Amino acid sequence: AQSVSQHNHHVILSEAASLELGCNYSYGGTVNLFWYVQYPGQHLQLLLKYFSGDPLVKGIKGFEAEFIKSKFSFNLRKPSVQWSDTAEYFCAVSPTDSWGKLQFGAGTQVVVTP
Amino acid sequence: EPEVTQTPSHQVTQMGQEVILRCVPISNHLYFYWYRQILGQKVEFLVSFYNNEISEKSEIFDDQFSVERPDGSNFTLKIRSTKLEDSAMYFCASGDTPGYGYTFGSGTRLTVV
Repeated sequence: AQSVSQHNHHVILSEAASLELGCNYSYGGTVNLFWYVQYPGQHLQLLLKYFSGDPLVKGIKGFEAEFIKSKFSFNLRKPSVQWSDTAEYFCAVSPTDSWGKLQFGAGTQVVVTP
Repeated sequence: EPEVTQTPSHQVTQMGQEVILRCVPISNHLYFYWYRQILGQKVEFLVSFYNNEISEKSEIFDDQFSVERPDGSNFTLKIRSTKLEDSAMYFCASGDTPGYGYTFGSGTRLTVV
């Protein structure tokens, strides 16, 4: 069965700490991979995406993610977080043979303390 | 930056009533989507829409639901005979290329009482 798993439901860290959020997926075919962020009271925003090529992709606001095909993983990283990174982060996959349907993980709530 | 606009932001309806959730996608986008998120659960795909017809739908999207693009700008989700379990945040999204990520609206919180 298709699934997207995010390793942590809730992460609390201090400003300047490094962040890594894990995401694994299970799907029999080729997928495109995404990380979305939802700041409090706002809509889902695309952080970054991977389709092909260099498995290390850079997104907005200093985020990057690495696709490891052998592990079916697409982990999100940021070397030094800020208070403004407090948000919920969603990993999502889109099968390339679909009409753009996204399957989301459960989300990780990240709280950055000053 | 172009936005996807959803109205209303919050709707309360009585069980059994019909509701229409409205969305204005980004003007040059051709692919439209509805998702929902029940409180505490994952964001779930409902339906995708292209060229004035449904291109894909989930098991959730049964006969209770319908979508329409009544004019050149709006994209609506109709829920007939609402149930308590339809209470959720409903997100509209639009994109210009399927599978390459798209822009979400800020959502409509539907509360069925």
